[in-house]
Amino acid sequence: DTGVSQDPRHKITKRGQNVTFRCDPISEHNRLYWYRQTLGQGPEFLTYFQNEAQLEKSRLLSDRFSAERPKGSFSTLEIQRTEQGDSAMYLCASSFTSGSPEYFGPGTRLLVL
Amino acid sequence: ILNVEQSPQSLHVQEGDSTNFTCSFPSSNFYALHWYRWETAKSPEALFVMTLNGDEKKKGRISATLNTKEGYSYLYIKGSQPEDSATYLCAFLRDGANNLFFGTGTRLTVIP
Repeated sequence: DTGVSQDPRHKITKRGQNVTFRCDPISEHNRLYWYRQTLGQGPEFLTYFQNEAQLEKSRLLSDRFSAERPKGSFSTLEIQRTEQGDSAMYLCASSFTSGSPEYFGPGTRLLVL
Repeated sequence: ILNVEQSPQSLHVQEGDSTNFTCSFPSSNFYALHWYRWETAKSPEALFVMTLNGDEKKKGRISATLNTKEGYSYLYIKGSQPEDSATYLCAFLRDGANNLFFGTGTRLTVIP
């Protein structure tokens, strides 16, 4: 399967702990996006990479959040000092060019207790 | 924050019925409108990317139209089947932007 993969699929953590999620995009895609989705809402943009460069960050991405994409391949999203409000589905997507369809991973569902 | 709205929020239809839902988006600075289908426990799947006013796209029993001047798109499903049950999301891409703005989705349930 050459689709977008995410790991882990589920994560339960206690408030104040750090968590890290991984996304492996489709290998030919140089664009990678992170989104957050909460109940009753559509996915909300968090950040965007073109190759290894992080070109855009949403205001939703507080300083507790950091994302990397070393070597323009996989990406990680880290949340430090998690809060209950961070509980959500975190989706990763990749695409080939601007305006082309985005291919989504299955998401990581985070629950902060 | 851009206003992308979808209606209805949810609907139930009988198997075999045809249905449609609406996505409204800003009519200025338009670049593209995406439609995605998101089945439970699966990844969102791209259905259509629409860029031209008056565009109409079709994929099997699903089709979509686009009106960029008035800022709306319709998604139609002909002869709904239980496997069509999913959340249908539209997403607006503004000219010059890198990221999509998603609506809240229409949750479709097709009753056998």
